[in-house]
Amino acid sequence: AQKITQTQPGMFVQEKEAVTLDCTYDTSDPSYGLFWYKQPSSGEMIFLIYQGSYDQQNATEGRYSLNFQKARKSANLVISASQLGDSAMYFCAMRAGNTGGFKTIFGAGTRLFVKA
Amino acid sequence: EAQVTQNPRYLITVTGKKLTVTCSQNMNHEYMSWYRQDPGLGLRQIYYSMNVEVTDKGDVPEGYKVSRKEKRNFPLILESPSPNQTSLYFCASSFLPFDRLNQPQHFGDGTRLSIL
Repeated sequence: AQKITQTQPGMFVQEKEAVTLDCTYDTSDPSYGLFWYKQPSSGEMIFLIYQGSYDQQNATEGRYSLNFQKARKSANLVISASQLGDSAMYFCAMRAGNTGGFKTIFGAGTRLFVKA
Repeated sequence: EAQVTQNPRYLITVTGKKLTVTCSQNMNHEYMSWYRQDPGLGLRQIYYSMNVEVTDKGDVPEGYKVSRKEKRNFPLILESPSPNQTSLYFCASSFLPFDRLNQPQHFGDGTRLSIL
């Protein structure tokens, strides 16, 4: 069965510091994609970054990078130089390939608080 | 403007009264999906559709129906709503290119349903 685990219900980080949000996954499908989304208090879901299972390099998008360790089945999100606007809920998600039926599953989320 | 539009945004209703939440996207996306978001559980996929007339169950399909008669629309139907279906619902869409996995989903603004 496919599964996404986010073990940090809440985290605090000082403004301008880096923070890592953990995500581990489980799937038997060799082909899968991993996504991170941000949900501010206003409620909308915002796509941040994507990593494919066959990608050789870790994905980066501005201040966001994904620390992809395939053997450990982890896909941690790293936010560098945190800003007050980064305070939000963060979800890790996986979309598996053919054997996963192209379903998408999400983790329970991590609420990030950025302190001034 | 590219968007996913859900209606209504808020609905309070009573047990057993059939309701439909509409979802429409203007990006010509093949893939559409419904999720429910509950505290501590993240987003859980209810149903998804790879294209017109093709729908598949997600992880929590019980008590819901969907249809995909047109590419742009993907309504969610609750034939006999019950209080345990009180939740925040999101519709989402994405392209399905050759890779099929790397397209992030675009989310609607959410529909908050309360079933009394």
